[in-house]
Parts: sequence; structure tokens; C-alpha cells
Amino acid sequence: QVTLRESGPALMKPTQTLTLTCAFSGFSLATREMCVGWVRQPPGKALEWLALIDWDDDKFYNKSLRTRLTISRDISKNQVVLTVTDVDPADTATYYCVRSLRGYGGDRYAFDVWGRGTLVTVSS
Amino acid sequence: QSALTQPASVSGSPGQSITITCTGASSDVGGYDFVSWYQLHPGKAPKLILYDVTNRPSGVSARFSGSKSGNTASLTISGLQAEDEADYHCSSYTYNSIPVFGGGTRVTVL
Repeated sequence: QVTLRESGPALMKPTQTLTLTCAFSGFSLATREMCVGWVRQPPGKALEWLALIDWDDDKFYNKSLRTRLTISRDISKNQVVLTVTDVDPADTATYYCVRSLRGYGGDRYAFDVWGRGTLVTVSS
Repeated sequence: QSALTQPASVSGSPGQSITITCTGASSDVGGYDFVSWYQLHPGKAPKLILYDVTNRPSGVSARFSGSKSGNTASLTISGLQAEDEADYHCSSYTYNSIPVFGGGTRVTVL
């Protein structure tokens, strides 16, 4: 059974750096065509794709947030980490860890497994 | 990249069919057959119910079907059931090589 579980702080102050961890099981990110990434949903707003890392350690980012995002992986721990620098109240959202349906093409951005999400609130 | 346009809400009685539309542009929905639909229940992990416009992942009910015409994709739920009450979000691959999502549609079973 494939599962993803997000963890991270529930409350952040503006300008801090947010670090989110996705712990997954049921597959290996070292397996060809596997990709894991992050999607967020601000309260009452649309989902927004943030970043993706693949089996070959290639990284893909939402260009509008690229300067603030870093995605990394730890194959031995089955974890993917996302950092978001200089957070702002606009970063308040539920952050989801996702697995890609396929490792290439448009289906890299279809997500067949999701975590339950973790709510991060940014407030002074 | 602007979000895709979905109706805020759609409702139907048990057993009825409903259709949710997802309107984009030639740079996303109209240009690629990489449209996905997700079902979101509060407190649960979101679920992929359609990908590549019409394909259902294993385990997803055949009551869910998809189509596309021009810049608009559609999700139809046939034989509406109480368990279908949820938020539904569409997504499309775009010419920027990133996905864009719709604003979500709340489905209410009357």
C-alpha cells in the first residue's frame, strides 16, 4: 500500500523558513519514473503545484515561486523535503505531498497518491 | 498562469447525473489531453478520479467519466450517490510545462 504523510510546523511567523517533510512508503523514489512533489491549497482558493523531484534527482519548480523553493530527497529514509523561504501570510495553506502518475510528459503532473495534508498558518 | 474556471457549486438528487465543467485556454486544456480530476473530502487525502481526460485509475467507479471539447473539459458523475458529495478540482498540463488547477466545485447531493 502506497502512503504519503506530511509533517511540519502548524504556525510560522513572516520571514521565517518553512520546512516540510513527506514520509512515504510502498515505493522507492530510486525506482525509474517515480516522482514526488508538493501541492498546496490556501483556504478557499485553488490548488497550486509547487515542486517535484524525480527518480533521477531532477527537480521541477513552479516558476512563480522558484526563488523561494527548494526540494530534496533522502532515498534511504523514503523522505522528500520542501523548504519555503521568507514566508508570508499568503503562504498560509494546506500543503499536500503527492506522487506522480508517471515520470514523464504531462502525466508527471497527474498525481495518483496524495497525503492528507498539513495546514500551515503564517501570522505575526 | 490563471486558474482554470469551474462552477462554484453543482447539486443533484440521488440517482441523477451531473456535469462539472473546467474551462481553460488553448495553452492548457485545449492544447493537451492531460486533464485530471480530483475528489477532495474534508480531512481525507485527495483522490485522483480521472486522468488524461477520460481514463479512470484502478478502483474508481465507472460512474465517473470525462470528456473534452475545445478549451473545456467535463466531469460527469452518473447515478449520483451521497458519498459523491465532495469538492472536485480539475487540472491541466500547460505550455509552461507546469500544471494549473481549477478553483474547485462543491458537489451537493440533495
